[in-house]
Amino acid sequence: GAGVSQSPRYKVAKRGQDVALRCDPISGHVSLFWYQQALGQGPEFLTYFQNEAQLDKSGLPSDRFFAERPEGSVSTLKIQRTQQEDSAVYLCASSTSERTGQGGEKLFFGSGTQLSVL
Amino acid sequence: GQNIDQPTEMTATEGAIVQINCTYQTSGFNGLFWYQQHAGEAPTFLSYNVLDGLEEKGRFSSFLSRSKGYSYLLLKELQMKDSASYLCAVSPIGGYNKLIFGAGTRLAVHP
Repeated sequence: GAGVSQSPRYKVAKRGQDVALRCDPISGHVSLFWYQQALGQGPEFLTYFQNEAQLDKSGLPSDRFFAERPEGSVSTLKIQRTQQEDSAVYLCASSTSERTGQGGEKLFFGSGTQLSVL
Repeated sequence: GQNIDQPTEMTATEGAIVQINCTYQTSGFNGLFWYQQHAGEAPTFLSYNVLDGLEEKGRFSSFLSRSKGYSYLLLKELQMKDSASYLCAVSPIGGYNKLIFGAGTRLAVHP
């Protein structure tokens, strides 16, 4: 596809359940980001990959959150033992840039996965 | 760190002009972005300012003043489809293109 694709679009989980959220970035995009967006708030950074390397995971809220991108394309965000406070939209974004300290390259976002933990 | 402030909500009339302000406190950044996000959809890129001044792109313009820690997004000839959230974000110095977002301004355009 032409854009960033995320699945599932909606996920309902019972508290304590594990979930896995998938992101297919734009083909050839080196950089991949995960963001968490609470209702009525802006996206908050979770983690960043450059190809398969996870260069920044400073935004992951706890060790229950884990992300991977083993072949440098598709990425999965896994949340273990989900809690109600994990309910949010999880956005994935990709960009072409692999340069550091430059900025300016726009991010292309997917429509997100809306996670509801009951 | 970065602290980004935007008004929570604004309303405007179709055909009018609206200015959405963004103020920030940050130790330094590469540039400032504006994104548009319709409810339930992906944020989409609107503009990027790295130098002080006005960047014009059709009905949308964005302004940056680094010395004042201030940016605004100007929307002209408002249309109903412009009803959306508008997100201000900075790209911090010293890394990749990680964006730090404000909470967004929800704009409602009415006839």
